[in-house]
Amino acid sequence: DAGVIQSPRHEVTEMGQEVTLRCKPISGHDYLFWYRQTMMRGLELLIYFNNNVPIDDSGMPEDRFSAKMPNASFSTLKIQPSEPRDSAVYFCASTLGQGGFSEQFFGPGTRLTVL
Amino acid sequence: RKEVEQDPGPFNVPEGATVAFNCTYSNSASQSFFWYRQDCRKEPKLLMSVYSSGNEDGRFTAQLNRASQYISLLIRDSKLSDSATYLCVVTLSGGYNKLIFGAGTRLAVHP
Repeated sequence: DAGVIQSPRHEVTEMGQEVTLRCKPISGHDYLFWYRQTMMRGLELLIYFNNNVPIDDSGMPEDRFSAKMPNASFSTLKIQPSEPRDSAVYFCASTLGQGGFSEQFFGPGTRLTVL
Repeated sequence: RKEVEQDPGPFNVPEGATVAFNCTYSNSASQSFFWYRQDCRKEPKLLMSVYSSGNEDGRFTAQLNRASQYISLLIRDSKLSDSATYLCVVTLSGGYNKLIFGAGTRLAVHP
């Protein structure tokens, strides 16, 4: 079975450019999460969706970040304009919410470098 | 103060050793507890849940002390393949449970 798919796997861009990260969750999962991981701050939840609707975006660092989920099989995280401090690994995860805790399955991540 | 605190390590141990990791959490309303494992340059994966009564999965034993807000993971008979970063994770009550990750403890098992 296909797991969570993320693209691109690596992205190098220059400061000021727009960056779009993509995620395809596991089919049938109704929750999707975007995380960011850095050495300094560890793994942080940015935003999560339930049935394509954003539920909590309190972790989104600032207005330069936006996320969408136009349908159940696709989500994007956009950074515009990008800055060097945005360099990190961005993970997407999905789960089937069944009440209480259900295991989140992570994608392989996108390693973003902003020069 | 961080919501979930862990000793970053690294813990360098020989094969066959027993090693223990500790984790403390700051929010007494934390509801569920887990250990995730993350290999170098890979995604995190669930290792095991942590139950109030303590639980064991093969060589791995997890314990929870709600009064002290403390979680532990014990690995017996360490294998080279256990080398990874171990992330302590808690969730808060209310609505869907969001995962709060500790920064992780790095384990290196050597021959």
